[in-house]
Parts: sequence; structure tokens; C-alpha cells
Amino acid sequence: DAKTTQPPSMDCAEGRAANLPCNHSTISGNEYVYWYRQIHSQGPQYIIHGLKNNETNEMASLIITEDRKSSTLILPHATLRDTAVYYCIVKSPSSWGKFQFGAGTQVVVTP
Amino acid sequence: GAVVSQHPSWVICKSGTSVKIECRSLDFQATTMFWYRQFPKQSLMLMATSNEGSKATYEQGVEKDKFLINHASLTLSTLTVTSAHPEDSSFYICSARGPVGTSVIKGANTGELFFGEGSRLTVL
Repeated sequence: DAKTTQPPSMDCAEGRAANLPCNHSTISGNEYVYWYRQIHSQGPQYIIHGLKNNETNEMASLIITEDRKSSTLILPHATLRDTAVYYCIVKSPSSWGKFQFGAGTQVVVTP
Repeated sequence: GAVVSQHPSWVICKSGTSVKIECRSLDFQATTMFWYRQFPKQSLMLMATSNEGSKATYEQGVEKDKFLINHASLTLSTLTVTSAHPEDSSFYICSARGPVGTSVIKGANTGELFFGEGSRLTVL
């Protein structure tokens, strides 16, 4: 599975959009980009995933570059409850579920 | 949505005793479950893969005789920490997914992984 690189931390003002980058320059054609987040002392929560096209759901939007070497998770209106560690994971369907978590990005939303 | 539940949420035990943690998929059949461990201020580390009806597959460096995993049904996997020591104190998290090629989320087809709430073990 491709390795991902994320900034260790970022701050965001409440109500503003949070843009979380992820680099995955070695991604292969059949690998999906997944985003999960972990609020302190809880299990990870699924946010969104995509292959090539941009995706949007009730939680967030995922923008994947045309060459698929990077992506951005967008939280459109950050709230204090969005404070968490956000993980970007690249995974192929052949080994679904066996996620290897990196360090992620610690996002702190401030009032 | 799919729910994975762990029990207990937290447990304190004496050194040398064994502790069992349960992981249940509440609204779908989980053919595969995964067990992770997370130490303070660190990321999740995959310990083992648990397949229903067969032996678990352990990651390198994880002692299979110490961390016993049983996946006896399509909705339950258990992790038993045997002869626990203080260094086993950690946050243990399970995850589950349905059969490959299916999805429990409408419109998705990539076997999303669902996580339990985690179980915090403290060994005195």
C-alpha cells in the first residue's frame, strides 16, 4: 500500500473551512484514498473515501488531484467537535480493512 | 449505520491476570475483524487479523500466545490478554468489515472498516 504524508498539526477557527492535505505520490491505480478521524480516547470514525473523482458527503469533501498523487479533505464549517487526529490512508481493495495508520494530522478547532 | 461495539470500555486488572475484550458487530456480519493497540500519543498499531472460523493472523512482533484471539461467530471476536503486565496497558481497538465486495454503506462498494469505541486496559 502507498505511503502517505500529512502535516503533524494544524489549527482552524470555528466556522471556517479546514483544508487537510495528504500526499500519496506512490499511489497505484487501484488504490483508494480513505480518511478517518479519531477524537481523543475514541475509536476512529470513517469520514469519506474516493478513487479518482472528488467526493462529498454530509461530513466532508474529498478533492483528489488529477494525477492522484495528493488529496485534500475539506471540512466546510469546522466546529469544536471536529477537533481530532485525521488520518489519510491509501488502500487497495485486495487487502481491505488491514489499515496501517500513520501519525495523522492533529486538528485543533478554536473558538 | 454499521456499529461495532466493544466491551468493556475500560478495565483495570492486577499483573499476572488475564483480561478478555469483546468486539461485536451489531448490524452486519463481520467475516473479518482487526485488533489494534494504541499507546498514549501514538498512532494505532495493527496487532492481528481475525477471520471467522479460522486462526488469527498476527503482525510481526505480536505474541500470539499472549494475545489470544477468537472469532467464533460472524458477529463476535474476542481478544484475551493473558498474564497481563503493566506494559500491556494500552487502548485496544477492534474494527470489522463485511465480506469483500459488499458494503454496509449505501452507495459504497469498497468494504469500509468500522471501528469500535476502544477498550482501555490498565494493568497494575
